[in-house]
Amino acid sequence: SQQGEEDPQALSIQEGENATMNCSYKTSINNLQWYRQNSGRGLVHLILIRSNEREKHSGRLRVTLDTSKKSSSLLITASRAADTASYFCATDAMGSNYQLIWGAGTKLIIKP
Amino acid sequence: DAMVIQNPRYQVTQFGKPVTLSCSQTLNHNVMYWYQQKSSQAPKLLFHYYDKDFNNEADTPDNFQSRRPNTSFCFLDIRSPGLGDAAMYLCATGRRRLAGETQYFGPGTRLLVL
Repeated sequence: SQQGEEDPQALSIQEGENATMNCSYKTSINNLQWYRQNSGRGLVHLILIRSNEREKHSGRLRVTLDTSKKSSSLLITASRAADTASYFCATDAMGSNYQLIWGAGTKLIIKP
Repeated sequence: DAMVIQNPRYQVTQFGKPVTLSCSQTLNHNVMYWYQQKSSQAPKLLFHYYDKDFNNEADTPDNFQSRRPNTSFCFLDIRSPGLGDAAMYLCATGRRRLAGETQYFGPGTRLLVL
């Protein structure tokens, strides 16, 4: 099934540095969400950005959306060891009012 | 705290032996989803309930069934588990059945098939 793409697949940075993850998708969307998944756990919703928004902030998170390039980025500033997790983007799907199309995820490791 | 609970966290079953995974929620949400997630992959939607209305995804194998006896509980039944069904199974809820709604996930049940 259609799926968004995220890059990088894995990212390892030092604590305190900023982490940027990217998500690209294939069709027009109404909104895009980012979720975090700690190892072996469920997903936690981080932020939702609508198609008419270009940037959104939540604490140390900044999400941008470029609908012309069909891409979004998630920036985590001043990273902490607790940010170590996988990060997934999810968009609404064409032809479905409920289904989410998930990216493959970026595995982020914060080194102390 | 309002939450989504999945039991058990780990389940071991034998090849071909029926298994049931459970999910409960205290959020009083109308929608309950079941996802399958294999290692290093994105979650894959199996089916969902919108209130009592069951909605199966087209590519969900017949081996997978679900029951929702009331608003709070939802079960995933795997009639004859195969080795390929070993995965993390995630339950999620949503207030409304809209792709723009936040989904609230439980911690997942990791299924091992021997």
